[in-house]
Amino acid sequence: KNEVEQSPQNLTAQEGEFITINCSYSVGISALHWLQQHPGGGIVSLFMLSSGKKKHGRLIATINIQEKHSSLHITASHPRDSAVYICAVKGGSGGSNYKLTFGKGTLLTVNP
Amino acid sequence: GAVVSQHPSRVICKSGTSVKIECRSLDFQATTMFWYRQFPKQSLMLMATSNEGSKATYEQGVEKDKFLINHASLTLSTLTVTSAHPEDSSFYICSAIRDPNTEAFFGQGTRLTVV
Repeated sequence: KNEVEQSPQNLTAQEGEFITINCSYSVGISALHWLQQHPGGGIVSLFMLSSGKKKHGRLIATINIQEKHSSLHITASHPRDSAVYICAVKGGSGGSNYKLTFGKGTLLTVNP
Repeated sequence: GAVVSQHPSRVICKSGTSVKIECRSLDFQATTMFWYRQFPKQSLMLMATSNEGSKATYEQGVEKDKFLINHASLTLSTLTVTSAHPEDSSFYICSAIRDPNTEAFFGQGTRLTVV
């Protein structure tokens, strides 16, 4: 079983909709990343958080350490938000406290 | 955010040749860099961890003689795929961190096709 589980695997939305992507993990962590990967392949780090909530523009990330759960929200979604969103945790059972363990990603498609 | 530059973005090479991929941290000193491989529709798979001035640590199942990693300075790590075969065709991506407590920044990735 993967240590990091994301849901949904695929998500299609209409422009303007509020989007939520979930991430659950089964090990103790020191931090959690939300990453965005566009079709070209490059990865952009959206957030790194270890508690509470962070906001950047239309993106909001929350984490509940006790429940081992994080969510990424996108408000007023736009077709340019279409990408794969990846949850990655740091400090899992992989040993080193700076290695990342990745979820399989959520493919988001926002239609105009 | 910090910038990590990876070059080339795409490369096609003949079977049996070697290919070098560079990963540079442009505006910070990276104590550690990571090399990942990604198959289509799959998660990133860590290949090796590279610390400046020391030998890379390879993940289980990754051939160190095939995937040579050099981290000669605090801003540059290279991955050389030696004697490439078609099964080495994949998307390779690097990331870099200033220190273990900071955010990881990723390169743009390199799509390698071995023909």
